[in-house]
Amino acid sequence: NAGVMQNPRHLVRRRGQEARLRCSPMKGHSHVYWYRQLPEEGLKFMVYLQKENIIDESGMPKERFSAEFPKEGPSILRIQQVVRGDSAAYFCASSPSGSRTGELFFGEGSRLTVL
Amino acid sequence: AQTVTQSQPEMSVQEAETVTLSCTYDTSESDYYLFWYKQPPSRQMILVIRQEAYKQQNATENRFSVNFQKAAKSFSLKISDSQLGDAAMYFCAYLATGSARQLTFGSGTQLTVLP
Repeated sequence: NAGVMQNPRHLVRRRGQEARLRCSPMKGHSHVYWYRQLPEEGLKFMVYLQKENIIDESGMPKERFSAEFPKEGPSILRIQQVVRGDSAAYFCASSPSGSRTGELFFGEGSRLTVL
Repeated sequence: AQTVTQSQPEMSVQEAETVTLSCTYDTSESDYYLFWYKQPPSRQMILVIRQEAYKQQNATENRFSVNFQKAAKSFSLKISDSQLGDAAMYFCAYLATGSARQLTFGSGTQLTVLP
């Protein structure tokens, strides 16, 4: 039973380019969450999605960032026109529908470096 | 808004000894979950232990246990018989029950285990 799969693990982009990060939740999980970890900090919530719906995007920057979780395929976190401040580790987590334990299962993260 | 505070940026412990990591939080909710996550150098987020706020009994997982003081809003992690593999960044996290699924993380405590 594969865990949460994120790719790429490492991504290097130059300022102004686009970054796309992908996340496949655990089998049977229909809820996906994206978190960002800046250097030397804890994880910060960005967005919570279910299939084809954004449930809570209160942690997403208003510009350049978008997320989707289509009916088929992985969830995508897209960052347009990246800047150096976007350099961070981006973690995806998933949970099953109706979870009463509150536990989120995290992927290994995607580390974005903006040159 | 909920906040989670870890006042110890770094801690060290001798192998086989016991160490306690501190965490306090602020919330107006009465029902919630608290977690300790471990992040080793591989950067993966690994759940160590979970506590439901409505349970008075402190959670225990093998060598890991918590001291949950709801009135004081304190949630410390005790690691007994410390092992070299316990060396990692430890994050305390809070999750309100209900539809909002945002985990709020503390800033982390870097634990070093000395041989």
